[in-house]
This record gives sequence, structure tokens and C-alpha cells, in this order.
Amino acid sequence: DTAVSQTPKYLVTQMGNDKSIKCEQNLGHDTMYWYKQDSKKFLKIMFSYNNKELIINETVPNRFSPKSPDKAHLNLHINSLELGDSAVYFCASSQGDGGQPQHFGDGTRLSIL
Amino acid sequence: GENVEQHPSTLSVQEGDSAVIKCTYSDSASNYFPWYKQELGKGPQLIIDIRSNVGEKKDQRIAVTLNKTAKHFSLHITETQPEDSAVYFCAAGAAGNKLTFGGGTRVLVKP
Repeated sequence: DTAVSQTPKYLVTQMGNDKSIKCEQNLGHDTMYWYKQDSKKFLKIMFSYNNKELIINETVPNRFSPKSPDKAHLNLHINSLELGDSAVYFCASSQGDGGQPQHFGDGTRLSIL
Repeated sequence: GENVEQHPSTLSVQEGDSAVIKCTYSDSASNYFPWYKQELGKGPQLIIDIRSNVGEKKDQRIAVTLNKTAKHFSLHITETQPEDSAVYFCAAGAAGNKLTFGGGTRVLVKP
């Protein structure tokens, strides 16, 4: 069973569109994250939720809106997509925060045309 | 905030040789140091981690060392194999803080 699963794996869309990425974890963890990985492979945290509450918001444009309906799910909605949003987005989860191991999904590759 | 520097950015080794990746961190409050391996098309996977109450940890061909005074930690891979080719990330964190990642090292093991 996949521990952290995110869908879709690939997302190709036009500039200006709105899209969503979904993430689910079956590890029973209380904390979930969204990371952005650029073309140089640099991993940058975007958001962190603990038990459905937002605890980290790293100066991400407000076009990005995370939503956590329950502690097993963290979705990412992006409005008015821009060329610079092209990247791989990773969802991760952990039991506790920065002092604990994080488990990553396999990523969603977002390409903006 | 925490800043993690990772070197080298690329590393090419002959199969059977050892590979060493080094990281430095800035925040003395960091006490958790994981290493992740990312294969093509996959997410980062935890391969080993160390906490600041330990100076060294080993798991088969992989070892990690930590020098808390100098704020350095390193990953050592011995007897490298082609399947060790991947991007490796170090990270530093602590309870109450986020995990901060290094810039990654692309390792290529040549058969």
C-alpha cells in the first residue's frame, strides 16, 4: 500500500487556468506538507498542516491555497497559473514536525504551457 | 532561520569506490539530521538519520557522522553500486521547527 499518494502524477495546463493536486497519507501521521522542487532539484517547503491547522506558510503567493479536510488529506489548489509555477510538487507527512522523519509522495509534475 | 549547505553538487565515482557528501548547518538548535535519496521520477526517500546525541550511525553500506561543535554532518556510502546513482539530500531540523534541506548532490556510479 502506498503510504503517501498524490494525484495526478502529471498535470499539463495553460497559463491562467486553475488546478488542484490531491494528497492522502495512510500512515496515521498528524502533520502534512507541500514542497516545490524546481528544475535544479532544490526542495522548498510551501505549507505545513498539523491536525488540519496551518502551521507553516512560507511566503507563497496567495494564488496557492492549501486545504486539509482531515489529518489524512492535504490538497493544493492553484489559481491563475503562471509559467513560473512549472515544477514538481511533493506532498509529505510526518508524526510531529521538523524533528521527525518525513515520508514523501512521488510528486506531481506541473507543466504550464 | 536555518541554512543548510551541501557539497558537492555532483559526484561521479567508479563502482566499488566510496562516496562522501558533506553538509553544514547554521542553527545550533537543530538536533535531527536525515538523509534522503531521490531516484528519477520518485519522491525523496529517507535512507538514514541521526540525532545530535549520537556522533555516528551505520546501516550496511551507509554511514552518517555528525560533528555538532563544527555544525557538520556527512554521508558515507561504501562499495558503491550502480543502483546508488540518485540525488541525495541532507536536511536539518528540530521539534517546533521546519526541516530545512540542502541543495542536493547528484551521484553517478559508473560501472
